[in-house]
Amino acid sequence: GEDVEQSLFLSVREGDSSVINCTYTDSSSTYLYWYKQEPGAGLQLLTYIFSNMDMKQDQRLTVLLNKKDKHLSLRIADTQTGDSAIYFCAELVPDSNYQLIWGAGTKLIIKP
Amino acid sequence: DAMVIQNPRYQVTQFGKPVTLSCSQTLNHNVMYWYQQKSSQAPKLLFHYYDKDFNNEADTPDNFQSRRPNTSFCFLDIRSPGLGDAAMYLCATSREVTGGPNTEAFFGQGTRLTVV
Repeated sequence: GEDVEQSLFLSVREGDSSVINCTYTDSSSTYLYWYKQEPGAGLQLLTYIFSNMDMKQDQRLTVLLNKKDKHLSLRIADTQTGDSAIYFCAELVPDSNYQLIWGAGTKLIIKP
Repeated sequence: DAMVIQNPRYQVTQFGKPVTLSCSQTLNHNVMYWYQQKSSQAPKLLFHYYDKDFNNEADTPDNFQSRRPNTSFCFLDIRSPGLGDAAMYLCATSREVTGGPNTEAFFGQGTRLTVV
């Protein structure tokens, strides 16, 4: 069955790079997404990558996709206190009636 | 400008008393979704509408119903809320459900439901 796994917590120092990792099981994924959720708020789409790409960069965000290992990562350069949030990885799988399969989220903690 | 708007942000209801959560969108998207998110968990899809076509997830309890009277509005009705239904309820929209760039979902701010 489909499964998406993420570490529950990541702690980094302000100004360092954060790398949030995600692994998935379904190789038929078409799109993979990163969403950000701040406390008490909804989910904000940060970026997404199509499954035939291996990298996408958008300002401070870099997404890397390793299809062979079914591994997705989100790198946030120069991490700021405003980046403190929970980051969800999600995949769009055709066999799941095109619904998103979600990871449990990684809470990013910023240390001063 | 907010594109997916959920009202209210916080809702308190009594055990067993029907409650309705609302969602509106200004994006003119075909698809509207309702998710339930409990603390420290991923969102769980309850159902979605593609235009007027309703699609229920197999494990969504019968206690949860939805209405979509027009493109812009979608409602979540909880007929008899139990303590276990306390959660954040997220509404989302997307242009399409099939794979492609138009499938990214845009979320509202959520309604936090408390059952007392």
